[in-house]
Amino acid sequence: NAGVTQTPKFRILKIGQSMTLQCTQDMNHNYMYWYRQDPGMGLKLIYYSVGAGITDKGEVPNGYNVSRSTTEDFPLRLELAAPSQTSVYFCASGVNEQYFGPGTRLTVT
Amino acid sequence: AQSVAQPEDQVNVAEGNPLTVKCTYSVSGNPYLFWYVQYPNRGLQFLLKYITGDNLVKGSYGFEAEFNKSQTSFHLKKPSALVSDSALYFCAVYTGTASKLTFGTGTRLQVTL
Repeated sequence: NAGVTQTPKFRILKIGQSMTLQCTQDMNHNYMYWYRQDPGMGLKLIYYSVGAGITDKGEVPNGYNVSRSTTEDFPLRLELAAPSQTSVYFCASGVNEQYFGPGTRLTVT
Repeated sequence: AQSVAQPEDQVNVAEGNPLTVKCTYSVSGNPYLFWYVQYPNRGLQFLLKYITGDNLVKGSYGFEAEFNKSQTSFHLKKPSALVSDSALYFCAVYTGTASKLTFGTGTRLQVTL
């Protein structure tokens, strides 16, 4: 089992550009999550999904969008990237015991 | 609202000594409590959880944690630390009403020879 996979591993964006962070899980979990991790701030929940076609906002959703068309995939879209979105992004799946992907390190300059 | 506090940014311990990483929580309802570990440039890995039952739970790599309802704490412990235990540790709480985990800010554990 691959578990939770994320692409890309690293990305540098210019201010105003857009991109999609990909997340796929092969554990048939209904629940999936996107977090961002900033130094000394722990993890902040951006968006989550309780199943295909259902998404909801977390603590810090502004500047992001998500979709969930299948159980396996939960992409995160950044529109009009800003320096404040420089962070490490983690996707996770599972209900309470969550399984995390390896992360995407994003820099916006 | 549920919340988790990890009062120490960093814990330093010598190899072979016991270690404790502290966590307190605030929830309405019965909590599910978790510890995760993060090694450099990696995602979080599950260590152990408390759902119900025995207050002392054992997890991976020789770690254990004690649930104390009266003190609303869930401290992570290990009898004998290893240098390889050096990492960032996160406590998290889940309640069914929230449908999501709330993480603490993390505690960096540094184990030295």
